[in-house]
Order: sequence, then C-alpha cells, then structure tokens
Amino acid sequence: EADIYQTPRYLVIGTGKKITLECSQTMGHDKMYWYQQDPGMELHLIHYSYGVNSTEKGDLSSESTVSRIRTEHFPLTLESARPSHTSQYLCASGDRVTDTQCFGPGTRLTVL
Amino acid sequence: GNSVTQMEGPVTLSEEAFLTINCTYTATGYPSLFWYVQYPGEGLQLLLKATKADDKGSNKGFEATYRKETTSFHLEKGSVQVSDSAVYFCALSPNRDDKIIFGKGTRLHILP
Repeated sequence: EADIYQTPRYLVIGTGKKITLECSQTMGHDKMYWYQQDPGMELHLIHYSYGVNSTEKGDLSSESTVSRIRTEHFPLTLESARPSHTSQYLCASGDRVTDTQCFGPGTRLTVL
Repeated sequence: GNSVTQMEGPVTLSEEAFLTINCTYTATGYPSLFWYVQYPGEGLQLLLKATKADDKGSNKGFEATYRKETTSFHLEKGSVQVSDSAVYFCALSPNRDDKIIFGKGTRLHILP
C-alpha cells in the first residue's frame, strides 16, 4: 500500500541536542515537502525538494536542514535544538499526475 | 502573487446543520483548487478538488464549486456530523511544477 511515514510521532528532548526527523514515502513521488504547523493551525513551508540531490528553502526561515539522497527519503535535521523549535512538523509528497499532496501523520517535537 | 483567504474559525455548529466555509483566492492563470481536512492528531488528507472553472468537487457529502467570476471555492455540506469536527484547509496549485499554497485553516466543531 502506498503511504508516507514519519518517525518518531512524538519527541521530547533537551536544549542543544541534535535530532533528525525521518520521512519516507513509497509512492515514488519526486516532490517532497516539510511544513511546520503552529498551534494556530497555519502551515509554514520550511523545505522542499523536487528530486534527488535537489533541496530548497521554503517560505519560513528555519534553522533546520534537509537532504534528498534517495527518492523515497527526506529527513530533516536540527543540529542544536532550542525551545523555539517546539512545534508540529508535517512531511508531504507531491504527485505530479494528480497535482495533489499526500501528508504523513506528523512529528510533535517538544524541546525543553 | 498567488494567495488563499479562508474564513477564520472556530466554526461551531449543531449536528445536522448546514455548513459553509468560505474560501477566495488570488492567482494568475488557471490554478487547481483543493480542500484538505486534518482530523485531530493526524496529517492533512485531500477532501476534494476542482481543476477548472465551474467544476464541482465532491466527497463524503462535502461539495465545492470552482467559481472563476468570484474567485471562490466555498466548502458546503448539507448536514454535518460530529465526526466532521476537524480543521479544513483551502488550497491552490498554480501549476503542476509549483508549490501548493494553503489557507490558514478553519477549525470546525460539531456539537451533538
């Protein structure tokens, strides 16, 4: 079954730790995205990729980085987490044929 | 530029009431329009879409019509259920090669 996965679903860590949020999709989509969702629900695009070895920063400035070494995998890394990084992070992949996005279940990150 | 404006929430209705969530857009060219829904604790999922003027998208009793003359894509449902409680996002895609633009989301509460 085609799907998009995010791990972990919940993460509580201390300030200064390095973390990686994982995102994988089985649909072979070229386009992938990372969004930060604030408590007010609004989605903010922080990174996107249109294919292997292609990554771009989104509309909201973020201290995180991403990589796209394989089509199916789009991890997001924070080198030194801070309380201001506390948020919900949503990963999505984009289908060029249907022009729609498929979302993962999200990772809720809390930095103490 | 391209943008989406949707009505602010929260919207609170009683079960079996009629629902309208307003959405208007600004875009050059002929975008595709979408409604996504986010249930508590989950990622977004596509609810319906329309790709050209006068198209009507429909799913799970929800409908929205692409109105180019009023640049609108209002979401409607004739009789809501408690299970419809969620956050609803209006979105547009300028073209298949560009990013999807999301509105800020409207939280819907349905009371039994």
